[in-house]
Amino acid sequence: GESVGLHLPTLSVQEGDNSIINCAYSNSASDYFIWYKQESGKGPQFIIDIRSNMDKRQGQRVTVLLNKTVKHLSLQIAATQPGDSAVYFCAENMNTGFQKLVFGTGTRLLVSP
Amino acid sequence: GAVVSQHPSRVICKSGTSVKIECRSLDFQATTMFWYRQFPKQSLMLMATSNEGSKATYEQGVEKDKFLINHASLTLSTLTVTSAHPEDSSFYICSAKGAGGSYGYTFGSGTRLTVV
Repeated sequence: GESVGLHLPTLSVQEGDNSIINCAYSNSASDYFIWYKQESGKGPQFIIDIRSNMDKRQGQRVTVLLNKTVKHLSLQIAATQPGDSAVYFCAENMNTGFQKLVFGTGTRLLVSP
Repeated sequence: GAVVSQHPSRVICKSGTSVKIECRSLDFQATTMFWYRQFPKQSLMLMATSNEGSKATYEQGVEKDKFLINHASLTLSTLTVTSAHPEDSSFYICSAKGAGGSYGYTFGSGTRLTVV
């Protein structure tokens, strides 16, 4: 099946710091991207999305940046809190005759108080 | 908002038996449903895509005879793991997508399958 990555890299930050999580996506024709947060034993939780005709989108404490030239996404979390500790995945909406969502490698974020 | 219910949340079965996992869209019609598998410390791997009333499309390397997918209605898709083996133990997650060109993907809460 489609997947990217085998092991999760980890980003460790202190409470109150800003966190930046990066993701490389695979298909230059992907038109929509989503960041998800996943806590242990749970399904993915939507954080923020961005369409391919944009390069930046802001939410509450989160910002997503899209660089289509190098097929790169980033998620910025401002004033990171211990409750932000989780695994974060980017996902791209691919059109291969039909639409499907394919996930990136994922990054584990650890926030220390 | 859109809600997807996935059952059971946990299941333990004996090797050689079959297990069925259900995925229901509670407040919207899901023309397309997706099934993912996630091994520990790894990403979600797309197994198959199912459209209501038609055969599922499986990703490369996924055995269609082992992972049977049925999408008989606009609110229900099932994944049956047939002749389960310990290596099938994993976290299975479904996602549903509504009609009308919406990008909205809604995920279930996942099913932890343990084959003993």
